Amino acid sequence: DTGVSQDPRHKITKRGQNVTFRCDPISEHNRLYWYRQTLGQGPEFLTYFQNEAQLEKSRLLSDRFSAERPKGSFSTLEIQRTEQGDSAMYLCASSLPLAGGGMGTDTQYFGPGTRLTVL
Amino acid sequence: TQLLEQSPQFLSIQEGENLTVYCNSSSVFSSLQWYRQEPGEGPVLLVTVVTGGEVKKLKRLTFQFGDARKDSSLHITAAQPGDTGLYLCAGAVNYGQNFVFGPGTRLSVLP
Repeated sequence: DTGVSQDPRHKITKRGQNVTFRCDPISEHNRLYWYRQTLGQGPEFLTYFQNEAQLEKSRLLSDRFSAERPKGSFSTLEIQRTEQGDSAMYLCASSLPLAGGGMGTDTQYFGPGTRLTVL
Repeated sequence: TQLLEQSPQFLSIQEGENLTVYCNSSSVFSSLQWYRQEPGEGPVLLVTVVTGGEVKKLKRLTFQFGDARKDSSLHITAAQPGDTGLYLCAGAVNYGQNFVFGPGTRLSVLP
């Protein structure tokens, strides 16, 4: 299977702990996105990378959240000092954009997500 | 306040019925996408529309982008249980900006 993979699929943690999620995009895709989805809502954009450069960050991405894509391949999303409000599905997507195209023209392929529960 | 509104929020119908779900905004979008998401999975892109008034068909699914590029609809003909899922619309205010997702319409097609 050469789709987007995410690890772990589920994470339960206690409030105040740090957690890290990993996303492996489709191998030739140079754009990688992180979203958060809470129950009954659509995904909310958090950040995206083009290769190793983090090009856009949502104001939803507080200083407790950090994302990296050090070699332009896989990415990690870390949440420090987790809060109960961080409980959500964290989705990763990747794309191979059209030349000069922005997110609006991308075909994003989503991974299955990591479901975080903060107790 | 949601930038994108979707209606209805929930829809339960019998197999074989037709249905239409809507995506509305007060903003003009340069492009709009429809996704379907099944439980425990990420969304899967169904279609991208970019031109006002554009109509695209994907088998039994018909997508329309409003003339003013502020709204869109998805019509399903002869719904099947396999159509069950969360239908999400997502729009970009301009090609370089983030995508904004609507809250989705949860469709259940009963056999």
